[in-house]
Amino acid sequence: AQSVTQLDSQVPVFEEAPVELRCNYSSSVSVYLFWYVQYPNQGLQLLLKYLSGSTLVKGINGFEAEFNKSQTSFHLRKPSVHISDTAEYFCAVSGVEQGGKLIFGQGTELSVKP
Amino acid sequence: DAGVTQSPTHLIKTRGQQVTLRCSPISGHKSVSWYQQVLGQGPQFIFQYYEKEERGRGNFPDRFSARQFPNYSSELNVNALLLGDSALYLCASSLNLGSTEAFFGQGTRLTVV
Repeated sequence: AQSVTQLDSQVPVFEEAPVELRCNYSSSVSVYLFWYVQYPNQGLQLLLKYLSGSTLVKGINGFEAEFNKSQTSFHLRKPSVHISDTAEYFCAVSGVEQGGKLIFGQGTELSVKP
Repeated sequence: DAGVTQSPTHLIKTRGQQVTLRCSPISGHKSVSWYQQVLGQGPQFIFQYYEKEERGRGNFPDRFSARQFPNYSSELNVNALLLGDSALYLCASSLNLGSTEAFFGQGTRLTVV
């Protein structure tokens, strides 16, 4: 079984500052890792995913994440945030052999202030 | 092309009633999954269907059921509604069973009173 822990429920940050949203996972099998963003009253949009290969993954809207197998982490980063990045961010894991069933963390609310 | 469409967008039901939620996947996508997102929490996996067959089920009671039709659209049914069933129900569409990318609809907001 897999589980995901997002270490911060809320992250307030000023506009143009860097941000890191932390995610740790546990699994007894090989996994794929994902970050999704959810804007108010909307569904989930995929930001980026790690399947294999390079541990640094670049996604949309200037976000990137680094897969660290030894620390079982997949932290999301952006060097300079905008007001429009204010949203809920979810880290998710899927077992390689589990056909796309996603296990989500509790979410991190990113609040960007002017 | 249209994305994943869900209907209705909002729904209010009374305890004990039954509800049916609908999802149309992206054209060409054969796999549909359902998730429940309670306010303030991450989505929880309910079902996955592929080629009209159930291929995965989360830890939900038998009051929850689903099906997939020949055109790959799907319905989620919940019987004997409880207050705790109030949530955003999300449908996700994938090309195939092992696809690594899921596309989510806007969700159906169910309120049980």
